Amino acid sequence: AQSVAQPEDQVNVAEGNPLTVKCTYSVSGNPYLFWYVQYPNRGLQFLLKYITGDNLVKGSYGFEAEFNKSQTSFHLKKPSALVSDSALYFCAVRDSMISGNTGKLIFGQGTTLQVKP
Amino acid sequence: DAGVIQSPRHEVTEMGQEVTLRCKPISGHNSLFWYRQTMMRGLELLIYFNNNVPIDDSGMPEDRFSAKMPNASFSTLKIQPSEPRDSAVYFCASSSRGGVSYNEQFFGPGTRLTVL
Repeated sequence: AQSVAQPEDQVNVAEGNPLTVKCTYSVSGNPYLFWYVQYPNRGLQFLLKYITGDNLVKGSYGFEAEFNKSQTSFHLKKPSALVSDSALYFCAVRDSMISGNTGKLIFGQGTTLQVKP
Repeated sequence: DAGVIQSPRHEVTEMGQEVTLRCKPISGHNSLFWYRQTMMRGLELLIYFNNNVPIDDSGMPEDRFSAKMPNASFSTLKIQPSEPRDSAVYFCASSSRGGVSYNEQFFGPGTRLTVL
């Protein structure tokens, strides 16, 4: 079965420093991977996705993610963190369409990013 | 576009009462998803529709929960009777060709449900 893991409940970084939010996945077949962000009292917002092509995917708000097939990872990165980046971040993998699965998104548990001034 | 619209934004009710949550997806989107978010269980997919037809309802907790999508622009999630453990934030999301494509989902602002 498809799954995604975010090993860190919280990541703390200082403003201006690079940030990384980790995500690993397990899929059968080609992975389709997503990152979403949730600000307090808001719904999730799409940041970026990997379907195929370049392993480095660029998204909204200066975020990017690197797809690494050998390590089955899709870590979210930003070269210079802002205080306003503080939020809850979700990694997701699209469920396979084979074996009776329906292609829905499977979300990780989320990682809280705290950027301090 | 106004985005995904959910109502009410907040609902406080007593145990045993019926609760109905409403969602208007983005115009032109043909897939709609209902999620529940709690601290303990995180984000859970309850059900999703494609072209108004329920495709996967394996996440619906029990018979007290039901969802309908009578047309492309409206969906409801009903809980009857409600219980305190149903307290959560319920999100509706929509996407274009969601189930079989790679398009991102657009989330509504959520309904915060409190069952006393």
